Amino acid sequence: AQTVTQSQPEMSVQEAETVTLSCTYDTSESDYYLFWYKQPPSRQMILVIRQEAYKQQNATENRFSVNFQKAAKSFSLKISDSQLGDAAMYFCAYRGSTSGTYKYIFGTGTRLKVLA
Amino acid sequence: NAGVTQTPKFRVLKTGQSMTLLCAQDMNHEYMYWYRQDPGMGLRLIHYSVGEGTTAKGEVPDGYNVSRLKKQNFLLGLESAAPSQTSVYFCASTQSPGGNEQFFGPGTRLTVL
Repeated sequence: AQTVTQSQPEMSVQEAETVTLSCTYDTSESDYYLFWYKQPPSRQMILVIRQEAYKQQNATENRFSVNFQKAAKSFSLKISDSQLGDAAMYFCAYRGSTSGTYKYIFGTGTRLKVLA
Repeated sequence: NAGVTQTPKFRVLKTGQSMTLLCAQDMNHEYMYWYRQDPGMGLRLIHYSVGEGTTAKGEVPDGYNVSRLKKQNFLLGLESAAPSQTSVYFCASTQSPGGNEQFFGPGTRLTVL
């Protein structure tokens, strides 16, 4: 069974600095999808960035980028120029692409604090 | 578009009481999911549906039942609530298999006394 591990329960970053959140996963599939979701205090889950495993190029969305290492099964999120509004829980998620696979598997989350 | 909505937003139950949580989506999505979120445990899948009239068990289905009589609605039922079911419940939907993102509802905070 697939698993997703976020080993950092909490991280802090100074405003305007860069921070990297870690995520590792375990799977025997060769094709799959990875996601980072943000959950601010409002509780709403918001998609931050998505990566298809068959794409070697790392995904980027403005200040957010990923370091996808397929062989190492690692999918870290880098936030550049951190802002106060980035403070939230961040969840890494995996979804396989095998036919009949409909489940998304989430990590336990990393709470990011942004210091002014 | 309202996206994914959940009713109610908050609820307090006594042990043994029953209730139904309603999830509705107006995006014509085929796939719908119910998760629970507990501190330190991330989101865990309770049940999911791959289309109208279908349901399947997720990771933590015990104590819950679901129904998908209409494509836009996915109901989560607790027949006899227990304190262990105190949690925040999220509904989500997605367009189709593949790498599509899940769209989440705002969550329901349920407390069982």
